[in-house]
Order: sequence, then structure tokens, then C-alpha cells
Amino acid sequence: GESVGLHLPTLSVQEGDNSIINCAYSNSASDYFIWYKQESGKGPQFIIDIRSNMDKRQGQRVTVLLNKTVKHLSLQIAATQPGDSAVYFCADSTGYSSASKIIFGSGTRLSIRP
Amino acid sequence: EAQVTQNPRYLITVTGKKLTVTCSQNMNHEYMSWYRQDPGLGLRQIYYSMNVEVTDKGDVPEGYKVSRKEKRNFPLILESPSPNQTSLYFCASRAGAGSNQPQHFGDGTRLSIL
Repeated sequence: GESVGLHLPTLSVQEGDNSIINCAYSNSASDYFIWYKQESGKGPQFIIDIRSNMDKRQGQRVTVLLNKTVKHLSLQIAATQPGDSAVYFCADSTGYSSASKIIFGSGTRLSIRP
Repeated sequence: EAQVTQNPRYLITVTGKKLTVTCSQNMNHEYMSWYRQDPGLGLRQIYYSMNVEVTDKGDVPEGYKVSRKEKRNFPLILESPSPNQTSLYFCASRAGAGSNQPQHFGDGTRLSIL
């Protein structure tokens, strides 16, 4: 069945290093992908998105890479800071209809070592 | 400030006692939805609404009701709560009906049904 999963449930990174969080999806028809950040006690917060006609998109300190061949998505955070500690999860959808199913992954917890 | 507001943030109640979780957004968004978040399962959609008086079932609608009488409000109703509805609930909204754009989430409501 459809799924969006993550390779690791937790990731520990040294402050200042780059973080890479991975996500795999199963639906080859998925054409829109989003990364969310969820801090403790808060709702998911949009970080960055990418459409299937792109393979890379950059934001402020974040980059999303999309590899449609292997159905893999990654989020790279440059110069990781303590404020980046959170659960990160990806989501994908297919088509533009309001009824299109959005699949959310279960998340990777990013912790920062001082 | 653009936001999605949920109330209450925490609630402990007993089986069978009707409860309502309110959700309000101040962004004039057409689309609103409710999710529940359980460990290891990611966000699962309960109900969504494309506009006033238009609602539809998501993936896990059993035991829940919603209404959309006004654009800004989308309450979630549990007529006869049961312990398996103990969860963290999120309301979300987005500007248009199309699924190819990010959603804005509230900060969550943690429900415990005893």
C-alpha cells in the first residue's frame, strides 16, 4: 500500500554540522512533497516543499532533494543549531484535487549535541 | 498574526461524555481539516472541508463529526468518546482547495478518554 516512511527514527548531530533527514515514498504518481518541523508541544510547521518537476529546491539553511527514480526525498539542514531540535516529517500528495490523499510519514527526531 | 487556534489544548474526560474541540483560523482559508497523531502512525486525516457547508470523510472518520457553518470555524465533535480516541489532534487549514500547497496547523489538542 501507499506509505511515506523515514529511514531512521532518530538522528543526533553535532551543533554546527549539517543534518540530512531522509524519506522514502511508495507512490510513483506522487507529485508534491512537503517537509514539516514539529517542536515539542506545537503543531507541524511548514519548512519547504518541492514539486515533482524539480529535483532540488533551496530555502534558508534548508535544501530538499528529490530523486524520483528511487522515490527518495531528503532534507538537508546546514549548520545545525539548537533551535533545529524537533521531529521532522515528510508528506506527499498526488494531483491537485482537494480530495487528493496526503500521506504523512511518522517522523525523525533530530537532536543536537553541543 | 496568521494562525489556527484550537481549544482546549488539553482535556481529560470519560467514556461517553460528548465533547467538542473548536478550531478557528484567521486567514480566510477555504480548506480546513482535522488530523489525529498517534505514535508511529504519523498524521491521519479524520475529516476535511473544502468550504462552508462542504465536508467529507478522511481516512479515520469513525466516531467523529464535524461542521462548517462559517468559513473560519471547523469544530470536531465526539458524540460518545471512547478510549481508542485518546490521541493528539490537529486542525489545519490552507488557502485553496488544491492539495499542492502546505497546510497551516494549530498547536494541537491532547485528549485523554478514560
